[in-house]
Amino acid sequence: QVQLVQSGAEVKKPGASVKVSCKTSGYIFTDHGLHWIRQAPGQGLEWMGWINTANGHTKWSEKFQGRTTITRDTSAATVYMELSSLRSDDTAVFYCARDREFYGPADYWGQGTLVTVSS
Amino acid sequence: DIQMTQSPSSLSASVGDRITITCRASQSISNYFHWYQQKPGKAPELLIYAASTRQSGVPSRFSGSGSGTDFTLTITSLQPEDFATYYCQQTYTTPQTFGQGTKLEIK
Repeated sequence: QVQLVQSGAEVKKPGASVKVSCKTSGYIFTDHGLHWIRQAPGQGLEWMGWINTANGHTKWSEKFQGRTTITRDTSAATVYMELSSLRSDDTAVFYCARDREFYGPADYWGQGTLVTVSS
Repeated sequence: DIQMTQSPSSLSASVGDRITITCRASQSISNYFHWYQQKPGKAPELLIYAASTRQSGVPSRFSGSGSGTDFTLTITSLQPEDFATYYCQQTYTTPQTFGQGTKLEIK
């Protein structure tokens, strides 16, 4: 069965970086892209970006471009999202989610990774 | 960016009721439009994609309609497990955007 398993919760200080992993299984990794979506406490969903796992190309929300990097390791069927220059308002749950078709809606989601930014 | 506006923001209903949630896009998005359900502490789940196609395993009491800028999600005969927050999303352009959510609560 399709599974996306994310790395564990993180606590970071302002200005630091965080790298969240998303390990996939149960399907051909390069057949589906992966989205990253953020949800601040008590708030709605915010799309951050997407990676084409076949060639590594990415699409971004301008809000996160320049501060975020998405990479993939095809041998490990894993995608990584790194967010730098963390601020307190970056505190959120970060989700990876597989696209149902190319750049399409997210049909399988990771369990979420809580990143807390606090001094 | 395309703005997605859901209404209502919250809704109280009873088990067995029929409810409708609407979502309006700030410009035409054809049928690049989807609905998700999220329960507290859980990741969202895809309910409806391409405006009207139920994701595998989604009960037939959920239905979606619309095209262009105006879309609806209808749930007939609400069940206890349907009380959750619902989000709409467009995947027509970058950045993909979500509506602000509709919280469906038990009356």
